[in-house]
Amino acid sequence: ETGVTQTPRHLVMGMTNKKSLKCEQHLGHNAMYWYKQSAKKPLELMFVYNFKEQTENNSVPSRFSPECPNSSHLFLHLHTLQPEDSALYLCASSPVGGLAGSTRYFGAGTRLSVL
Amino acid sequence: DAKTTQPPSMDCAEGRAANLPCNHSTISGNEYVYWYRQIHSQGPQYIIHGLKNNETNEMASLIITEDRKSSTLILPHATLRDTAVYYCIVRSNTGNQFYFGTGTSLTVIP
Repeated sequence: ETGVTQTPRHLVMGMTNKKSLKCEQHLGHNAMYWYKQSAKKPLELMFVYNFKEQTENNSVPSRFSPECPNSSHLFLHLHTLQPEDSALYLCASSPVGGLAGSTRYFGAGTRLSVL
Repeated sequence: DAKTTQPPSMDCAEGRAANLPCNHSTISGNEYVYWYRQIHSQGPQYIIHGLKNNETNEMASLIITEDRKSSTLILPHATLRDTAVYYCIVRSNTGNQFYFGTGTSLTVIP
């Protein structure tokens, strides 16, 4: 247990559905991240939030919409996804973003399948 | 951030030490070396990190060469539950990139 909790663990959705992924951390961290891990590919950083403010968006399509209402919670809102968006979506947190010695802790991930 | 090179796969006998190498020849002075592992379909798990000195914790030891161009993660007594993909990452004190690469798939054999 890393202290980073993601729900749901598994999600199946159609291309016209709207769903949301939730991430919660109880570590007192101020930075939170969304990653995508497709089959046989390295993890890809999607979004970074520091103190609730988005500080990085790595050219992610607008059908993925993040929300960070406070430093403990992070959401990823999904709409009109494509089958190629099927992947493991991972949330992570760290004490402060952008510092070399700031260890990043990951949740167990949400396995998303888009039909 | 400097990139790393790791062997794609390794085997280790259960109960023996697993030594996982990583080359990071372009590492700069302010970059840390991190090790994570990922058991199938789970989130990456933090193992250890260091800057210049060797480090040890309850999970593993990290040996960094004097020139810092390579490092070795040592699992002193490998168990079947240590079967996972191990990632060596170097990162600087600026920016948010934490590049995982493709890692080393370690298989612990009974």
